[in-house]
Amino acid sequence: ELKVEQNPLFLSMQEGKNYTIYCNYSTTSDRLYWYRQDPGKSLESLFVLLSNGAVKQEGRLMASLDTKARLSTLHITAAVHDLSATYFCAVDIGSGYALNFGKGTSLLVTP
Amino acid sequence: NAGVMQNPRHLVRRRGQEARLRCSPMKGHSHVYWYRQLPEEGLKFMVYLQKENIIDESGMPKERFSAEFPKEGPSILRIQQVVRGDSAAYFCASSSTGVNEQYFGPGTRLTVT
Repeated sequence: ELKVEQNPLFLSMQEGKNYTIYCNYSTTSDRLYWYRQDPGKSLESLFVLLSNGAVKQEGRLMASLDTKARLSTLHITAAVHDLSATYFCAVDIGSGYALNFGKGTSLLVTP
Repeated sequence: NAGVMQNPRHLVRRRGQEARLRCSPMKGHSHVYWYRQLPEEGLKFMVYLQKENIIDESGMPKERFSAEFPKEGPSILRIQQVVRGDSAAYFCASSSTGVNEQYFGPGTRLTVT
């Protein structure tokens, strides 16, 4: 069974600081997704990573994928309060549609 | 262009009752997926449907759960004789093809009392 593990699960950080969220998965994957979820809301797609070495950046967030290590990272640069949310990584192991999600990282950015 | 719509947003049922959750995909999308999110967990895939067809229901519990996506109208996830363990957030997603990016709805939060 595919396992998708995120760490940390909870993260409290100060505004202006940098931090990285890690996503490990146990089986070869074709695609990796990062989503953001605000409390009581749906999931917002942040990044889709399709190949080894892929790096994508949007604002203060940057995601990368190392398929050999089965590892993706979501790096936060100079955090601001608006980034407070839960971040999920999800892996597609080849079906093309069934996504396997990690438990999520609950991020709180404080002044 | 409206996104994926789900209703109701919140649903409370007593043990033994039936729950019906509805999902209207984005305009132009004919592929629908249902996921369940238990408290403190990530989303788990339940079922993948196209119009009038169930493509993959490998994540669906074998009993009490069923899903449909009729030719007309929304997709329906039906849970019969609900139990407390069914309390969760149920998300629907849609895509234009079976391998494209999925867009998620706001979810239905089911509470079984």
